[in-house]
Order: sequence, then C-alpha cells, then structure tokens
Amino acid sequence: AQKITQTQPGMFVQEKEAVTLDCTYDTSDQSYGLFWYKQPSSGEMIFLIYQGSYDEQNATEGRYSLNFQKARKSANLVISASQLGDSAMYFCAMREFTGANNLVFGTGTRLTVIP
Amino acid sequence: KAGVTQTPRYLIKTRGQQVTLSCSPISGHRSVSWYQQTPGQGLQFLFEYFSETQRNKGNFPGRFSGRQFSNSRSEMNVSTLELGDSALYLCASSLGTAEKLFFGSGTQLSVL
Repeated sequence: AQKITQTQPGMFVQEKEAVTLDCTYDTSDQSYGLFWYKQPSSGEMIFLIYQGSYDEQNATEGRYSLNFQKARKSANLVISASQLGDSAMYFCAMREFTGANNLVFGTGTRLTVIP
Repeated sequence: KAGVTQTPRYLIKTRGQQVTLSCSPISGHRSVSWYQQTPGQGLQFLFEYFSETQRNKGNFPGRFSGRQFSNSRSEMNVSTLELGDSALYLCASSLGTAEKLFFGSGTQLSVL
C-alpha cells in the first residue's frame, strides 16, 4: 500500500532564508507522481510542484524545487528565499498511476516564516 | 482560466439531515475527485469520477455518495449526517486520471 511520511510537524525559517521540508514515500508501483501542496489558513489546497517517477530532472517552479531521490524514496521540497506569505501547512502527496490512482497525503508540515 | 469552484463555502447542518456539495472543475478537466479533511484523520480520499463514471472509491460508508454530470460538474451527497462528518470537503480536478490535481477552496461542513 502506498504511504507518505512527513516527519516534521512544524518548521521555522527566517525570512529570505531557504528551507527544506522532508517527505518520504513507499510504493511498489513503478509509475507514480509526487506532489506538494500548500494550504494556508483559508483552507484552499494550492498546487506547488509535481515530479513524475520517470522524470530524470528535479522539478522546479519558481522558488520551489523538489529534491527527488528515487532510490531513497524521498521527495523533499526546497523553498528558497522564504517570504512571510509562505507561512502555511505543506502537504506531500503521491498518486500511483497504475494502482488505486487516488492521492495519498502525508500528515503535513506547518511552516512559519519569521521576520 | 477559472480554477476549481466549490459551493457553498460554509454549511451548518444538524444530525440526521442530508447535504449536497457542488464542484465545478477547471474547464476541460474531465476527472473530479473528492477528499475529506479532519484534524484527526487528515486528508482522506472519498471518490473519483471520470466521464460521469465512478472510477475509484475510498473507505467511507454508503451515506457518502457522488455523481458527475455530462459537463464534468460533480456533486457529493452525505445522508443522515453525523457529528463526525464535520470536516473540510475538498474537490480536485485534473485533465485525466493520471494528471496533476488542482483543488478548490473547499466546503467547510459543520454538523451540530
């Protein structure tokens, strides 16, 4: 069964610094996708970045990059130059494309950016 | 391009009532899935629809049901509401069944 583990319940980062949010996953599927979402206090789940299991390059989207280490089954999110507006819950999720196909989420990491 | 739209944003019901939540996907997206988010259980998958057919269902009782219309809009229904159904219900859409998912703002349901 697919599983996502986020071991950091909370993280603090100084404004303008970089921060890494950890995510490890478990799957027996060869074809899957890894996602990161941001959820501010308003509740909306905002898509940040996606990495396919067959993508050879690490995904990047602006200040977000995904450090994909397939052999270690990790998909850490790196946020560069943190901003106050980055304070939110961050969820790592996985979708097995040949299995159940639904998103399975981790428990999330609450990031607080300090001025 | 408009995002995923969920209505209503907030809903208050009493035990035993039923409720219908609505989701309009991003234009052109044919897959719609629903998730329940609670502080205790986190984010859990409810069901997924593609081209009006339910493709996948999570581990929820039969009181939770859904449907998808020909224009890809989707509704989910919860009958005989229980206190434990209080949650944020999130709808997500994607182009196909193996694509990125984009979420709406959710419907916050409170059952009193």
